[in-house]
Amino acid sequence: SQKIEQNSEALNIQEGKTATLTCNYTNYSPAYLQWYRQDPGRGPVFLLLIRENEKEKRKERLKVTFDTTLKQSLFHITASQPADSATYLCAIPTGGSQGNLIFGKGTKLSVKP
Amino acid sequence: DSGVTQTPKHLITATGQRVTLRCSPRSGDLSVYWYQQSLDQGLQFLIQYYNGEERAKGNILERFSAQQFPDLHSELNLSSLELGDSALYFCASSPLGGSDGEQYFGPGTRLTVT
Repeated sequence: SQKIEQNSEALNIQEGKTATLTCNYTNYSPAYLQWYRQDPGRGPVFLLLIRENEKEKRKERLKVTFDTTLKQSLFHITASQPADSATYLCAIPTGGSQGNLIFGKGTKLSVKP
Repeated sequence: DSGVTQTPKHLITATGQRVTLRCSPRSGDLSVYWYQQSLDQGLQFLIQYYNGEERAKGNILERFSAQQFPDLHSELNLSSLELGDSALYFCASSPLGGSDGEQYFGPGTRLTVT
């Protein structure tokens, strides 16, 4: 069955630096991959979706890449700010067209001033 | 604010009991998803309903059941509760039934089983 892994449980960086988070999956390449942000005690919030035929996608200070050869997605936050501190989850569809998602366990990002 | 509402916000109950969690999707969204999030397991998909019909099942225990009503709100019923059922339960909604749509999550219900 499809598995998804976010290698780092936690990432600490200095304000202004670029944060890079990794998401790896096994088995087949998903048709798309999503990234969500989750603050403590709150529901995840959708950030970006990248499709298998897209190498890169950007939204303001966020950039996502999708490498189907490496079975990996990278999520970058440039010019990071303390307000970016949160847990970031990646998610891929389970297969089929139902849109059900498998979520990684997340990477907790802390941006220090 | 995602537009998805969940009640109650917190629930404390004893083992063996039964509880009902309620979710109202965003206006116009036809799909509702239920997830369980615990510290060790992460966010786990339980079940999806689309326009009143069950669309997909994930890791949902037989003690758990759900339904979606004609007005599209959904309820998740948890019975014979065990300590291990303590978790955050989220519902999410999306406009359509499948494929590559983002999901809008509610604020969650924190269930504590004592």
